[in-house]
Amino acid sequence: SAVISQKPSRDICQRGTSLTIQCQVDSQVTMMFWYRQQPGQSLTLIATANQGSEATYESGFVIDKFPISRPNLTFSTLTVSNMSPEDSSIYLCSVDGQGNEQYFGPGTRLTVT
Amino acid sequence: AQSVTQPDIHITVSEGASLELRCNYSYGATPYLFWYVQSPGQGLQLLLKYFSGDTLVQGIKGFEAEFKRSQSSFNLRKPSVHWSDAAEYFCAVGEGGGFKTIFGAGTRLFVKA
Repeated sequence: SAVISQKPSRDICQRGTSLTIQCQVDSQVTMMFWYRQQPGQSLTLIATANQGSEATYESGFVIDKFPISRPNLTFSTLTVSNMSPEDSSIYLCSVDGQGNEQYFGPGTRLTVT
Repeated sequence: AQSVTQPDIHITVSEGASLELRCNYSYGATPYLFWYVQSPGQGLQLLLKYFSGDTLVQGIKGFEAEFKRSQSSFNLRKPSVHWSDAAEYFCAVGEGGGFKTIFGAGTRLFVKA
């Protein structure tokens, strides 16, 4: 199994600003995933990030709002841009296991005021 | 399109009692099925998974799940619940190759003494 860390663990931000969330994995992985979990809700996939290519975004999510970087096989960042209170959520990164399961980071709890 | 339904938003059981959490899925082929648990303030942890073979799968923490193709179900069970099992439980279905895991809405488990 992979061990995943995220920074920051939580943040409080003002509307209109941007926050970059980092995700670090302890082993090389092909695919990394970014999810959003709004308060009391399930997980929604934002995008899939492969190293060396553009991220693939799900319906309802766009690169201008959630730019993603994937500079190497162990690291990715997600930026939440021009934030509004509706962006208050937990953001989780995950990686694909050998058996198609997902391993998740602890999440970043974002509050936008 | 794939979908996952967890009919129970929350369930309360007494400590020591048995537990069954329901999950129904919609998928054209044989699905990859998962159960994850999310404890308060934590990321998601994989409990068990099913891809093929024996339809009764064993997981961690004493949980098991049974795949029933005829009912499109993958219910999670535990014979005796412990107070530490109180958490949010997510059923999920994934495409082959680990792309696009779709999560159910979750069932919150409360355990009473």
